[in-house]
Amino acid sequence: AQSVTQPDIHITVSEGASLELRCNYSYGATPYLFWYVQSPGQGLQLLLKYFSGDTLVQGIKGFEAEFKRSQSSFNLRKPSVHWSDAAEYFCAVTNDYKLSFGAGTTVTVRA
Amino acid sequence: DTAVSQTPKYLVTQMGNDKSIKCEQNLGHDTMYWYKQDSKKFLKIMFSYNNKELIINETVPNRFSPKSPDKAHLNLHINSLELGDSAVYFCASSPTGQGRNYGYTFGSGTRLTVV
Repeated sequence: AQSVTQPDIHITVSEGASLELRCNYSYGATPYLFWYVQSPGQGLQLLLKYFSGDTLVQGIKGFEAEFKRSQSSFNLRKPSVHWSDAAEYFCAVTNDYKLSFGAGTTVTVRA
Repeated sequence: DTAVSQTPKYLVTQMGNDKSIKCEQNLGHDTMYWYKQDSKKFLKIMFSYNNKELIINETVPNRFSPKSPDKAHLNLHINSLELGDSAVYFCASSPTGQGRNYGYTFGSGTRLTVV
């Protein structure tokens, strides 16, 4: 069965500092992986996705993620965090039938 | 134009009532979903419909009944509401087949509070 694990429940980062959110997946075949962001009181917005090709993918809002098959990981990074990046971040994996989410990581940005 | 729209955005109701949440997508997608986000923000799929046909029912109580009048609409009706039904419900849509793997589009959510 497909699943994702986000080991970090909550991360606090200073504005301007770099950010890395961890995601580990479990999937029998080639995974299709996603990162979504949920700002307070808002819906889910797709940041980026990976399904094949270059293992470093670029997304919106200056985010990137790297797929590492050997580590079953798909970590999200941003070089310099803005206060508006404070949100809940979800890693997800899909088969042909459904999207399964990790438990999410809450990112707090301090001034 | 909003791609996936849900109504209402907020819903406060008493235990035992019956309520409905509506969802519409204008993306031309064939597959629609309902997800539930609990108080710990965990997102879990409830239902999936493909071209008006139910393809996923993830052990959801019978009090929850999805209805898809056409492939652009997926409504969620909940009977005999319980306190534990309080959550945020998200509607989503995606293309069918391999296109499904290219991303799901979510609505802005309906916050249901049962008192």
